[in-house]
Amino acid sequence: KQEVTQIPAALSVPEGENLVLNCSFTDSAIYNLQWFRQDPGKGLTSLLLIQSSQREQTSGRLNASLDKSSGRSTLYIAASQPGDSATYLCACQASNYQLIWGAGTKLIIKP
Amino acid sequence: NAGVTQTPKFRILKIGQSMTLQCAQDMNHNYMYWYRQDPGMGLKLIYYSVGAGITDKGEVPNGYNVSRSTTEDFPLRLELAAPSQTSVYFCASAQESYNEQFFGPGTRLTVL
Repeated sequence: KQEVTQIPAALSVPEGENLVLNCSFTDSAIYNLQWFRQDPGKGLTSLLLIQSSQREQTSGRLNASLDKSSGRSTLYIAASQPGDSATYLCACQASNYQLIWGAGTKLIIKP
Repeated sequence: NAGVTQTPKFRILKIGQSMTLQCAQDMNHNYMYWYRQDPGMGLKLIYYSVGAGITDKGEVPNGYNVSRSTTEDFPLRLELAAPSQTSVYFCASAQESYNEQFFGPGTRLTVL
């Protein structure tokens, strides 16, 4: 059974720092891995989707990598800003349409 | 485009009451999903649909029912509300099963 883990559960860094969020999964038979952002009281926003055949995806200051053999994905945020404060969730998609979710990392960027 | 819309935003139910959570999307997506998110946890799939008239159970379907009579709408029905159903409910849609999912703003449900 696929399990997705995100460590740490919370992270606080000063503005301007580069940072990495981690996501690990137990079953490498995935179709894709997705990173989402969740703001308090709001829905989820898709940030990056990495297909199983890809190694990384980039969007602006965000870069997500995928290493299926080691069961790991990372989300790199460059030059962090207070507006990046949110909870970041990763999710793996298996063959039965289902996304298996991590519990998220709550990120706080201090001005 | 409004994207994915959900109503209501908040609701308090008494044990044993019933209600329907509404979800609609205007992107002509084939796939629609209902998730629940408990505090400090990831989302869990309740039901999903691959097109009008076709629905299937997800990881945690007990206590819920769905229907998909049109491409646009995917309501979630709670028949006999229980405190264990206190959660935030998210609806999502995608063009195809392995495409990016788009989420609604969520419904915060409390059962007392």
